[in-house]
Amino acid sequence: AAGVIQSPRHLIKEKRETATLKCYPIPRHDTVYWYQQGPGQDPQFLISFYEKMQSDKGSIPDRFSAQQFSDYHSELNMSSLELGDSALYFCASSTRDRIYEQYFGPGTRLTVT
Amino acid sequence: GESVGLHLPTLSVQEGDNSIINCAYSNSASDYFIWYKQESGKGPQFIIDIRSNMDKRQGQRVTVLLNKTVKHLSLQIAATQPGDSAVYFCAENVAGGFKTIFGAGTRLFVKA
Repeated sequence: AAGVIQSPRHLIKEKRETATLKCYPIPRHDTVYWYQQGPGQDPQFLISFYEKMQSDKGSIPDRFSAQQFSDYHSELNMSSLELGDSALYFCASSTRDRIYEQYFGPGTRLTVT
Repeated sequence: GESVGLHLPTLSVQEGDNSIINCAYSNSASDYFIWYKQESGKGPQFIIDIRSNMDKRQGQRVTVLLNKTVKHLSLQIAATQPGDSAVYFCAENVAGGFKTIFGAGTRLFVKA
């Protein structure tokens, strides 16, 4: 079965640079979520989109922005990167009627040096 | 997480035994409680969910129990197998919202 696709899988950036993470949800899933997971920590909800509109917002820094496109894929844009942004970034998708049953991608490991 | 946490950070069980992973939550407005399994190097994997109007739900080899009186959630895994070794997270979702709050995980070790 098709799963959530994330790219790139690994990304190394320097401080103050920008990064763009991409997410392709499972076909027919209309809701996308972004999470940040630090080493040994639980996933922290960043932001979600339903039908291309922002549906909820969590602890996402102002330096980050995201959007969902007409084909339902989503991008997380991160600017002025800081060392503390180094983490695993997961995208998840679901259908609107089962938002508590989310399917996660393999994640993008971002390292900021 | 903001309002979900776990009692034990690690749990070691013998293969074939039953495992019980516990979780406490504090948000009475949460409508769904979910268990996720995360294997090393992978994203979390949905296991089972339970709605707040239920106190028990069973899946394949797993049972989730919800005690709203003491705000406690547990995941029982029957006949634990080596493939069950992972970090388990409980999570909660408030009705009508898209935000899912994860608790701190419990690492399950299964000894052969």
